[in-house]
Amino acid sequence: SYELTQPPSVSVSPGQTARITCSGDALPKQYAYWYQQKPGQAPVLVIYKDSERPSGIPERFSGSSSGTAVTLTISGVQAEDEADYYCQSADSSGDYVFGTGTKVTVL
Amino acid sequence: QLQLQESGPGLVKPSETLSLTCTVSGGSISSSSYYWGWIRQPPGKGLEWIGSIYYSGSTYYNPSLKSRVTISVDTSKNQFSLKLSSVTAADTAVYYCARHIRYNWNENWFDPWGQGTLVTVSS
Repeated sequence: SYELTQPPSVSVSPGQTARITCSGDALPKQYAYWYQQKPGQAPVLVIYKDSERPSGIPERFSGSSSGTAVTLTISGVQAEDEADYYCQSADSSGDYVFGTGTKVTVL
Repeated sequence: QLQLQESGPGLVKPSETLSLTCTVSGGSISSSSYYWGWIRQPPGKGLEWIGSIYYSGSTYYNPSLKSRVTISVDTSKNQFSLKLSSVTAADTAVYYCARHIRYNWNENWFDPWGQGTLVTVSS
């Protein structure tokens, strides 16, 4: 089955930049999306169509795409950004898949 | 502001059928370009798409769950529902409903999400 691979964890100091990658063979043909999930809460969309930011999401969140990988970048990380982050896309059959998830820890 | 709310039993016995309903408020479930989806998350694990439905009744299911899943819609109540049959402990999870935004074959995402409801499978 199709998989979207993410690093299990990323640690970053406040004010620094966090980068989370998501790899998948179908990403050159399918857009990717990013969700933030804080403990005990539902996921919240932070990036759609690789690099678009929904209204209300801080400008420090950005996305990019290159080949079979997409990247979520959090610039000037704040304590409130500590959360799990999941990418989402679709496989070649159009079935929707979530990444393995990355825990971002703010030191 | 669109809001979604899951409801249903929090405890289901093994081999029985899990049934949940999602009530949509602040918008119509019959809006074009929108599907409505179910996603689940086992405790401490990642997210898994279960399936999605259009207001007309057209459905898409995760192939790994397709034989056990039925999603239906009731436009008169602005609700859609999930049934998962023959459940086991592996189906214990937080179940989320979400609006599935579908603009194209390669433009599909989920926003917003309901708060989620924990369903435990146990005798």
